[in-house]
Order: sequence, then structure tokens, then C-alpha cells
Amino acid sequence: ETGVTQSPTHLIKTRGQQVTLRCSSQSGHNTVSWYQQALGQGPQFIFQYYREEENGRGNFPPRFSGLQFPNYSSELNVNALELDDSALYLCASSLEYLETEAFFGQGTRLTVV
Amino acid sequence: AQSVTQLGSHVSVSEGALVLLRCNYSSSVPPYLFWYVQYPNQGLQLLLKYTSAATLVKGINGFEAEFKKSETSFHLTKPSAHMSDAAEYFCAVSRGNQGGKLIFGQGTELSVKP
Repeated sequence: ETGVTQSPTHLIKTRGQQVTLRCSSQSGHNTVSWYQQALGQGPQFIFQYYREEENGRGNFPPRFSGLQFPNYSSELNVNALELDDSALYLCASSLEYLETEAFFGQGTRLTVV
Repeated sequence: AQSVTQLGSHVSVSEGALVLLRCNYSSSVPPYLFWYVQYPNQGLQLLLKYTSAATLVKGINGFEAEFKKSETSFHLTKPSAHMSDAAEYFCAVSRGNQGGKLIFGQGTELSVKP
């Protein structure tokens, strides 16, 4: 059991709405990374947070934003939802940002209609 | 830039047969390489990782992978497939100094026939 928990597990939103996904990292881990996994695809890196600061970003528009809190939990916010945002969103935590082993949560399945 | 190519989106083997899942990478710096497994409606579980130590890496559930720099490959093998191995497998690469920022391949779905 990895100890990374995500909520909610599933949700349905309407195009144009905003959504917030949550991640509780494994105890003691100060780095959180978010990934988007479209159906039938490999996960794609969205961004990473280290000690509450963004520490790298993938090729995603600014309407994808995040936060990391002092307890190292994290949020992923997506504004102006589009149909193509429908995907499994995965959160991964690691001990330090240089740590090579990341532990993944179960993911949040987002459906945009 | 780094990239990963997994050859074969679907592989089917018989129970007890050899499992071979292919992964080739591209990296301008010494890479760190990973294999993850994903069961239906689940997150990703790390099978094994290569971080510039031994080129033959042993992982969980009897899987192993060999880093071959000359072939830019990191193929995953298991001598004898079990029904419980049926899942999606992802190869991933990261820069050595960028920890959890992983670049994944498209995945290979492994089916195991009784």
C-alpha cells in the first residue's frame, strides 16, 4: 500500500466548469507530481511541487494550476474544462524532488460532458 | 529531449511462457529508467528501476530488466507468466536530477491465456 490517497475517485463535470482534485502524499514526502492519463495513453507530466513551490511543468496550459500545502498535501485545479480534459489524473509523491522513486495514488477519473 | 517507445501495444502469452515487453528510450543525458504496472482502475505500481548501478535490474513479482546502452533499450522480462500478470505495463524515463518528473511510453497491455 503506497499511502498516497486521492479524492474524489470519480467525478463528472460540464464543459466550462472548474474542478479541484486533491492528493494526500505519503507520510514524510515533500514532493508531489501530477499526471494526466487519457484513455489508452501513458501518463503525461503536468507539474511538480516541492516544498510548496512549483518545481517544473509539462506542456499544459495555464488553466491547469496547483497548490501544495504546508502538510505537503496538494490540489490540482483545472479551469474552463474542455471535453479533452476527460482523463485519469494521477498524483505521485516522493521523499525529495531528486528522489527517483515516486509512489502513485489510485487516481481521480474525471469525465467532462 | 527524452522519449520512450514501447514496441507493441498488446502482447499475449500463455500461462508459463516467457514474458518480453520491449522499451527503447532516447535521452541526451544518462537516464533513469523505470517499469510500472497498472491494473484496471488502479494507479501505477513500480516494478523496478535502473539508476546507473547494475545493468540487470531485478524487481518485484519475478520481473527483471536489462539496461543496454548500445541498443538504448530497457526490455522487461519474466521467465514464466502467471494469470495475475495480466495488466498494462509502462516504461518511463527521467533525467537523473529530476526525480519524479517521468516521461512515459504509451503502454503495453499484457494478456495471459490459460
